[in-house]
Amino acid sequence: EADIYQTPRYLVIGTGKKITLECSQTMGHDKMYWYQQDPGMELHLIHYSYGVNSTEKGDLSSESTVSRIRTEHFPLTLESARPSHTSQYLCASSESGAGSTDTQYFGPGTRLTVL
Amino acid sequence: AQTVTQSQPEMSVQEAETVTLSCTYDTSESDYYLFWYKQPPSRQMILVIRQEAYKQQNATENRFSVNFQKAAKSFSLKISDSQLGDAAMYFCALSFYNQGGKLIFGQGTELSVKP
Repeated sequence: EADIYQTPRYLVIGTGKKITLECSQTMGHDKMYWYQQDPGMELHLIHYSYGVNSTEKGDLSSESTVSRIRTEHFPLTLESARPSHTSQYLCASSESGAGSTDTQYFGPGTRLTVL
Repeated sequence: AQTVTQSQPEMSVQEAETVTLSCTYDTSESDYYLFWYKQPPSRQMILVIRQEAYKQQNATENRFSVNFQKAAKSFSLKISDSQLGDAAMYFCALSFYNQGGKLIFGQGTELSVKP
């Protein structure tokens, strides 16, 4: 399995709380991604980064924010969690540069439940 | 619009038999990658197989092979000698050269393997 980690794996939290989902990778990949996935459904890109200090919004609008201060770390933050944020969040990374094949390596995911 | 469509929400196969999962896509680009990813229940998403659009030869990885029909925009996955461990959600995905490696996912096909 790939060297990409997410914590926590499961989180149950009340409405209005601020949460940060952690993602880190040890492969030195420049590109990192956050996806949102409802159970049994397709993945939707919500944020991506091409390197340190680079962040972009994905195709699915999200109230979350991300930061990329270090290559290996790409945390996602929700300032005020709501029940509509209940979902699984998957982090991924891929290499860049010549010879890159766009293959993404995924973390185990964080399953978030907002009550 | 660039889309990926998996028309089979669920498939079932007998252990040791062969099964084919369908995927079609729509794009006007000529340079792209196609992927099949596997997501076992409660486990990490992993790459099954990758195909570069410029290659006419179909990719193979052990028991997994693809039938890539570029003109028809079709990319099916064949699993031979199915094993119980093949049971998972399978996602077809598309990315484009020089577009940052972002993946567009299909809706997924849930494969069950009967002993």
